[in-house]
Amino acid sequence: QKEVEQDPGPLSVPEGAIVSLNCTYSNSAFQYFMWYRQYSRKGPELLMYTYSSGNKEDGRFTAQVDKSSKYISLFIRDSQPSDSATYLCAMSGNTGNQFYFGTGTSLTVIP
Amino acid sequence: NAGVTQTPKFQVLKTGQSMTLQCAQDMNHNSMYWYRQDPGMGLRLIYYSASEGTTDKGEVPNGYNVSRLNKREFSLRLESAAPSQTSVYFCASREAQGGYGYTFGSGTRLTVV
Repeated sequence: QKEVEQDPGPLSVPEGAIVSLNCTYSNSAFQYFMWYRQYSRKGPELLMYTYSSGNKEDGRFTAQVDKSSKYISLFIRDSQPSDSATYLCAMSGNTGNQFYFGTGTSLTVIP
Repeated sequence: NAGVTQTPKFQVLKTGQSMTLQCAQDMNHNSMYWYRQDPGMGLRLIYYSASEGTTDKGEVPNGYNVSRLNKREFSLRLESAAPSQTSVYFCASREAQGGYGYTFGSGTRLTVV
């Protein structure tokens, strides 16, 4: 069983839609949770970071962590064509030496 | 621009050849990492250096060696390339251990034929 599971999609939505991206994990020791955005042929860039459970909002993006269910989500409101990318979840335990990444969900926002 | 610089961007090797991937960061970060990214596998950690002078194996270290040359530079060496090492390689850095996120380079696309 992989440490982190992520639906690869692809996901295609119209501009302005609300997008929900999700990951599940198996290791209850994970404390740090992140979302990265990766454009084609580029390196991943950090989008959101949360510690332990709860919600975090940054503009159109909201990250949620439910440690009891071992489930994390990223919501994108008012999605834009520029949001078209692959979204990677990542998480680690307290040492933070190794982050475990999901395989990524490919998102296309259609104008 | 501040960030992580990787060279080369593209490389084709023949089986058995060796090469070194270079990585440098100018953010004064302590920790540096090498990942590979393969379709359907996600990003997997090859080696990391938590601080200058230390290196440790990650999830998939076989066939690779690393050198933390100084605080800025962290190189990855393939001694005898194999087709299974065809991948996109990303270097990343981070200020300290703990919860801060990585800054990634733009990647090296390596093909071993």
